[in-house]
Amino acid sequence: DTVVTQSPLSLPVTLGQPASISCRSSQSLVYSDGNTYLNWFQQRPGQSPRRLIYQVSNRDSGVPDRFSGSGSGTDFTLKISRVEAEDVGLYYCMQALNWPWTFGQGTRVEIK
Amino acid sequence: EVQLVETGGGLIQPGGSLRLSCAASGFTVSQSYMSWVRQAPGKGLECISFISGDGRTFYADSVKGRFTISRDDSKSTKSTLFLQMNSLRAEDTAIYYCAADTGDSKIRCWGQGTLVTVSS
Repeated sequence: DTVVTQSPLSLPVTLGQPASISCRSSQSLVYSDGNTYLNWFQQRPGQSPRRLIYQVSNRDSGVPDRFSGSGSGTDFTLKISRVEAEDVGLYYCMQALNWPWTFGQGTRVEIK
Repeated sequence: EVQLVETGGGLIQPGGSLRLSCAASGFTVSQSYMSWVRQAPGKGLECISFISGDGRTFYADSVKGRFTISRDDSKSTKSTLFLQMNSLRAEDTAIYYCAADTGDSKIRCWGQGTLVTVSS
């Protein structure tokens, strides 16, 4: 299976400050169609996950522009430019290239 | 608007069977990836099965041979995704989410989840 590793697993952040989460895949996530199949999800406490970013850097509809994704090949990053209280929760990256699709362990974002 | 509503969870004894349903609306199921993702208590997310638009099915090793995914898209306005779970084990205890994507990124929208508890 493709192993996806996130860091850090816990991220205390001051309101209004930036946050960054790293995601590394054990295999390249570039497909023959030229797309890279790496998604980012947010799971607020007590809620279902919600997709924020697909194919590395494309923001889903309704996602605030303070969220951005970047990276290539096997190394990816999710950035929050200025953390707000509603951003508290777990963040997962997920590779959608090789079955079984696999998630990182999750990064817990909390307010300091 | 895309909607996914799971039902069918509950408390079941080890070795028992359960059938989960996911009512899907607002998109064309036969042109979408439809998946089941589970989350054990306090744990991360695990993709256990999906069915492609053309009907191909895939399973994680942890459920292969015990779980069966299927769909009923005979009604034009509403379709249902199923997960037949047999030979249930304590380690199958989790919230089971139905998920879908009309694009190539496999998972976009999620249901609210249904809790399955396997315990004697």
